[in-house]
Amino acid sequence: QVQLQQSGPQLVRPGASVKISCKASGYSFTNYWMHWVKQRPGQGLEWIGMIDPSDSETKLDQKFKDKATLTVDKSSNTAYMQLNSPTSEDSAVYYCARKTDYWGQGTTLTVSS
Amino acid sequence: DIVLTQSPASLAVSLGQRATISCTASDSIDTYANSFMHWYQQKPGQPPKLLIYRASNLESGIPARFSGSGSRTDFTLTINPVEADDVATYYCQQSNEDPYTFGGGTKLEIK
Repeated sequence: QVQLQQSGPQLVRPGASVKISCKASGYSFTNYWMHWVKQRPGQGLEWIGMIDPSDSETKLDQKFKDKATLTVDKSSNTAYMQLNSPTSEDSAVYYCARKTDYWGQGTTLTVSS
Repeated sequence: DIVLTQSPASLAVSLGQRATISCTASDSIDTYANSFMHWYQQKPGQPPKLLIYRASNLESGIPARFSGSGSRTDFTLTINPVEADDVATYYCQQSNEDPYTFGGGTKLEIK
């Protein structure tokens, strides 16, 4: 069965880059774009961007162009999102999702000194 | 960017009655006769769950009480009849062009 297993909650200092992982199983990893979505506490869903694992082509919402870097490791079927120079505004739950249908459990990021 | 406007922001419906949620896009999200609009249900502490894809297709395992309709810029999610387990926030999302934007959400409660 399709599963997306995300890395655990993280507490980071402002300005210290952080990397979230999403390990895929149960399907052919390179056949589906991987999406990333942000949800701040009590707020709605924000689409960050997506990456094609077959060739690492990436599409990012302009709002996140300087904030998020998407990568994949095909050897381990894992997608990564690095958040650069995080601030308190980046404290949120981050989800990876295979297209629209399967979602990871979410990774809670807290940015605090 | 395509802006999706959901209404209402919150909705209280009696058990067994119909709930209707609207999503209006700032531009058409149709391509090649397909409407790239999707609907999700999210409960607190859980990731979103896909209910309807491409405007009117029921995702596997989702009860037939859920249905979707619409095309171009105007879309509707209907839940009929509403059950207690349907208390959640519902989101629309378009995937016709990036960025793949979401609507602001509709919170469904039981009256």
